[in-house]
Amino acid sequence: ETGVTQSPTHLIKTRGQQVTLRCSSQSGHNTVSWYQQALGQGPQFIFQYYREEENGRGNFPPRFSGLQFPNYSSELNVNALELDDSALYLCASSLGGGLEQFFGPGTRLTVL
Amino acid sequence: QQQVKQSPQSLIVQKGGIPIINCAYENTAFDYFPWYQQFPGKGPALLIAIRPDVSEKKEGRFTISFNKSAKQFSLHIMDSQPGDSATYFCAASWNSNYQLIWGAGTKLIIKP
Repeated sequence: ETGVTQSPTHLIKTRGQQVTLRCSSQSGHNTVSWYQQALGQGPQFIFQYYREEENGRGNFPPRFSGLQFPNYSSELNVNALELDDSALYLCASSLGGGLEQFFGPGTRLTVL
Repeated sequence: QQQVKQSPQSLIVQKGGIPIINCAYENTAFDYFPWYQQFPGKGPALLIAIRPDVSEKKEGRFTISFNKSAKQFSLHIMDSQPGDSATYFCAASWNSNYQLIWGAGTKLIIKP
């Protein structure tokens, strides 16, 4: 069974740029959730995708957007990067939008 | 009302001791309470979870105690080991939702 994988591991961008982060869900899982974890804090829910449709969204602006593909992998896109977007971005997969979520190792984004 | 308050922020325990981490919530609609363990540079890993219809759940050395009337739950780690040194997060959600609300985390150090 393959776990959740994320790419890239680290990324450095400058303010105003755009970034795309990628996630492959655990084998058999059809739901992907994205979280932002600032240094020293708990994760904050960004949104969830279930069967290629957005299935809920946290308190994040529209410049945070996502996609889910037919193989259930997912992308997180952030436009017009701000310094406060610097964080660890976590992807979690689950089955059927379920509560038991399994996390990838995250992508560390630094915005300069 | 959506918050989950976690304490202490950090904890140092001798090997073999029983660290206890506490969480409190306000939203009585919460009905799923997981604990996650996170090592540096890794994503959170689900340790154990409880529903409010039971007051205690044990899995190996990890025990969740749940007090529905006080709206509090706690994690106990029996026979703690240096390998348990990590950051622990409590979280909460409700059955009709998918969004995990996280505590701020507890950095646990187990001294040899």
